[in-house]
Amino acid sequence: DTEVTQTPKHLVMGMTNKKSLKCEQHMGHRAMYWYKQKAKKPPELMFVYSYEKLSINESVPSRFSPECPNSSLLNLHLHALQPEDSALYLCASSQDWAGRADTQYFGPGTRLTVL
Amino acid sequence: AQTVTQSQPEMSVQEAETVTLSCTYDTSESNYYLFWYKQPPSRQMILVIRQEAYKQQNATENRFSVNFQKAAKSFSLKISDSQLGDTAMYFCALQRGGSQGNLIFGKGTKLSVKP
Repeated sequence: DTEVTQTPKHLVMGMTNKKSLKCEQHMGHRAMYWYKQKAKKPPELMFVYSYEKLSINESVPSRFSPECPNSSLLNLHLHALQPEDSALYLCASSQDWAGRADTQYFGPGTRLTVL
Repeated sequence: AQTVTQSQPEMSVQEAETVTLSCTYDTSESNYYLFWYKQPPSRQMILVIRQEAYKQQNATENRFSVNFQKAAKSFSLKISDSQLGDTAMYFCALQRGGSQGNLIFGKGTKLSVKP
């Protein structure tokens, strides 16, 4: 089963709101990823967690705060976002063989709109 | 630096026909992986096919096959017997072996299958 689930599917928030995106996988993968995708563009990597530890942060603004509570869950906490942060946020997971990443499997994404 | 180039922003094909999507890449690594991902209008990114650079044999998955030309750094995707459900954005991607999260995407090719 190569399924990664994400909730919510859609989210509309104001610039002063605090919200969270959730991602879950039950494939036993130990690497999880957050990507941001603007319309008609490829995904851009934001964060990578390996064995529940943050291993890559691609210079993402602090208004995005990732969290990995356990090996199956990945959250992205949002606070004081800007309208330009409106995008599709994709979660992915992969096996992680001692730092060597395997094929990434993507979730359906959360469509975020910041007003 | 690693780069992935997809030179065809849009393509169309008649149902049941064959179409080839182009991808070229650049890397100085000897150990790497190449992928084709499909993202239909419903937006979930789906793995189509994967190729390990050390394997000379071209990967095949049902109607999808690749032409991997390592010396030319070319990795094209052939779709045979095109179906309406193949309509999607197709992304070519490169991943260094031994790396975490370093999935480099091309800009994508929008494929439309016409009845």
